[in-house]
Amino acid sequence: DAGITQSPRHKVTETGTPVTLRCHQTENHRYMYWYRQDPGHGLRLIHYSYGVKDTDKGEVSDGYSVSRSKTEDFLLTLESATSSQTSVYFCAISESRVSSGANVLTFGAGSRLTVL
Amino acid sequence: AQRVTQPEKLLSVFKGAPVELKCNYSYSGSPELFWYVQYSRQRLQLLLRHISRESIKGFTADLNKGETSFHLKKPFAQEEDSAMYYCALGYNFNKFYFGSGTKLNVKP
Repeated sequence: DAGITQSPRHKVTETGTPVTLRCHQTENHRYMYWYRQDPGHGLRLIHYSYGVKDTDKGEVSDGYSVSRSKTEDFLLTLESATSSQTSVYFCAISESRVSSGANVLTFGAGSRLTVL
Repeated sequence: AQRVTQPEKLLSVFKGAPVELKCNYSYSGSPELFWYVQYSRQRLQLLLRHISRESIKGFTADLNKGETSFHLKKPFAQEEDSAMYYCALGYNFNKFYFGSGTKLNVKP
């Protein structure tokens, strides 16, 4: 278990308000990710980080920003939430599995965001 | 560009019947393929990956490079297999692209 915790787990907010989701890991993994999960679309990458202050965009990054000031924390911010951002957000880390050499993703429990 | 296609949104089978969840991918390099599963009210978790050629919970998946497929199979479905299944493509060691998912419903 990579010790990934997400907060808050549930949030209801209004259109136009800022929202920040936090992902915290305890095992010093370099790579961290934010995905959103929507019916019919599966998991789509929003942003990812490959180190402190090193981030890059994913396929659905519009309307989202991220920050990583410490190895253990990766924050996802919706500057002005819209109803289209109602979703379940998953944080993940990438870790190598020595037995195979292939990196795999380990996910947090998810944060359900509703924008009214 | 990389792409993963799961053509079935929902697959319903009876307990004891064989199951095959389809996954096709598009990638110009050497792919790493995974299956992830999400049981009700649980987090996504790795089910299996092609490189380890293992069988987990009775599921197997074979990478077919000629057909660019990585279908997930189980000879006899169990009710506890009901879940959401995602096929994923890994590339450049730390990048991952997911399909849209297939919901498996195993009926008693």
